[in-house]
Amino acid sequence: EAQVTQNPRYLITVTGKKLTVTCSQNMNHEYMSWYRQDPGLGLRQIYYSMNVEVTDKGDVPEGYKVSRKEKRNFPLILESPSPNQTSLYFCASSSYQAQNTGELFFGEGSRLTVL
Amino acid sequence: AQKVTQAQTEISVVEKEDVTLDCVYETRDTTYYLFWYKQPPSGELVFLIRRNSFDEQNEISGRYSWNFQKSTSSFNFTITASQVVDSAVYFCSLSGNFGNEKLTFGTGTRLTIIP
Repeated sequence: EAQVTQNPRYLITVTGKKLTVTCSQNMNHEYMSWYRQDPGLGLRQIYYSMNVEVTDKGDVPEGYKVSRKEKRNFPLILESPSPNQTSLYFCASSSYQAQNTGELFFGEGSRLTVL
Repeated sequence: AQKVTQAQTEISVVEKEDVTLDCVYETRDTTYYLFWYKQPPSGELVFLIRRNSFDEQNEISGRYSWNFQKSTSSFNFTITASQVVDSAVYFCSLSGNFGNEKLTFGTGTRLTIIP
């Protein structure tokens, strides 16, 4: 089954404790991205990756790191989480194949609370 | 910079009524793509449609239809004969040349269908 898998789905942590949210896709997609969803703000792009070893900042990259060492994985790293990073996080992937509609495939979301 | 405005924060209609969700965008790109996504109460994000800037033809898919007008920078979404299952948050989004690079979302419209 084609899917984007995020882990953990729910996490409560404390300020300053490093954490990683993993994202893996099984569709051989070139493009992967991270978004955060906050009430009244919609979804905002954190980082995206056009392919292996190619990453770039989205609109709200501060406080986050990413890496793309393998095509299927795109982890989101919070080196020193702060309460303002409490949010719902979505990972997404897509293909650039010509026949593709440009549809983004989203993971189920990871709800992170930083105390 | 890209911007997507969904001025309607919340809409409630009685079942079987028609409803239109507005989306206005800003971009300096001559080639761009517009999307609509649905987020039902379960939280996942579901792709509905993609439209490129060169194709202003309106599209209909069952009870859903989309009206793209470059002259007014709008990409509105109409649900005909609404059903309770249409209750969700709907996001309009905009991207540049590659279709997903630097994807910008609107803040969403929460649609409630009253039985």
